Amino acid sequence: EAGVTQFPSHSVIEKGQTVTLRCDPISGHDNLYWYRRVMGKEIKFLLHFVKESKQDESGMPNNRFLAERTGGTYSTLKVQPAELEDSGVYFCASSLDRLGAFFGQGTRLTVV
Amino acid sequence: QKEVEQDPGPLSVPEGAIVSLNCTYSNSAFQYFMWYRQYSRKGPELLMYTYSSGNKEDGRFTAQVDKSSKYISLFIRDSQPSDSATYLCAMSAVSNTGKLIFGQGTTLQVKP
Repeated sequence: EAGVTQFPSHSVIEKGQTVTLRCDPISGHDNLYWYRRVMGKEIKFLLHFVKESKQDESGMPNNRFLAERTGGTYSTLKVQPAELEDSGVYFCASSLDRLGAFFGQGTRLTVV
Repeated sequence: QKEVEQDPGPLSVPEGAIVSLNCTYSNSAFQYFMWYRQYSRKGPELLMYTYSSGNKEDGRFTAQVDKSSKYISLFIRDSQPSDSATYLCAMSAVSNTGKLIFGQGTTLQVKP
């Protein structure tokens, strides 16, 4: 069974540009989460989808971040325009029963 | 004050040693407690999760939760070089979202 897959694995963009991260969850997992780890800090929650609906987006930093989940399958996280402080590792996770989420390998975003 | 405190280490032990990893937390609403293992440049991998207080054992790993002290532990018996990784504790207050609050992670090195 395929795990959670994230694309790209690494992205370097200039400040002010737009970047879109993609996550393909484990098939059949209705719950999809986005997390972020900035350097030296703990992994922090961004938002939670149940199928295509946003259940909790309390961790989204500001309106430069937009997350979507098309048809309850894959999800995208767009940052527009990117700022230096957006640099970090973005993780996607999915789960069946909201316990014990399975994480992807992460997308390392560097804004220069 | 962070909701979850975890000593980042690094922690270095000889092969075969018993390892004790710990987290403290401040939010008494946390009910679900997880331990994740993360290898370098990989996503977090779920090791174990427990509900409320008590112990749970899985092979060489034992998780303990003491809600009265707001303290959780992960013990690794007969540690192996392959156990070298970052260990993250994570907690969830309610099961209907699955939003995880992470500790900073403890880096463990097991020397042959």
